[in-house]
Amino acid sequence: AQKVTQAQTEISVVEKEDVTLDCVYETRDTTYYLFWYKQPPSGELVFLIRRNSFDEQNEISGRYSWNFQKSTSSFNFTITASQVVDSAVYFCALSEGGYGGATNKLIFGTGTLLAVQP
Amino acid sequence: SQTIHQWPATLVQPVGSPLSLECTVEGTSNPNLYWYRQAAGRGLQLLFYSVGIGQISSEVPQNLSASRPQDRQFILSSKKLLLSDSGFYLCAWAKGGGNQPQHFGDGTRLSIL
Repeated sequence: AQKVTQAQTEISVVEKEDVTLDCVYETRDTTYYLFWYKQPPSGELVFLIRRNSFDEQNEISGRYSWNFQKSTSSFNFTITASQVVDSAVYFCALSEGGYGGATNKLIFGTGTLLAVQP
Repeated sequence: SQTIHQWPATLVQPVGSPLSLECTVEGTSNPNLYWYRQAAGRGLQLLFYSVGIGQISSEVPQNLSASRPQDRQFILSSKKLLLSDSGFYLCAWAKGGGNQPQHFGDGTRLSIL
């Protein structure tokens, strides 16, 4: 069965601290895709990154970085030098290739609420 | 560029009343379309998805229905709302293929009284 687990329900940090959001996934497919989304208080979900199962290169985008490790089925997200504007709920999601690929159905984790205090 | 519009932004309805939420996408053709509900506990529940006009797949049996009368239009409906239908409803679109991300609208906050 496919599943995405975000064990951290809420995290609170002080501005400028680094913070890592954990994501663990389960899938039987050999081809799959992982995503991170940000949901600020206004409510819309904003796409942050996509990672293919056959590409384990880590990625950095400004203060954001992602660590994908197939050996531990994890796709963790780190924010460096956090800012108040980073306060949001962050969702990790899984999409499978093959049969499920044409539908782009996403399996979401339950989200992690990040609160960055000034 | 592609945009997704969802309306209304907020809605307050009495129990037993009908519902119609609309979502339209611009700047792309033949998108996959999705309706989600997010309850207070934050989880996102996929309600319906569509890979083409008139093609609707339901993920969860419920009091709601969806329709896709045009390529880039997706409608969420109910004949009689229940209290349990309250929540935040999100529409999303994606190009076909599992590697394509979904892009979300701004959502509709629905309160049932």
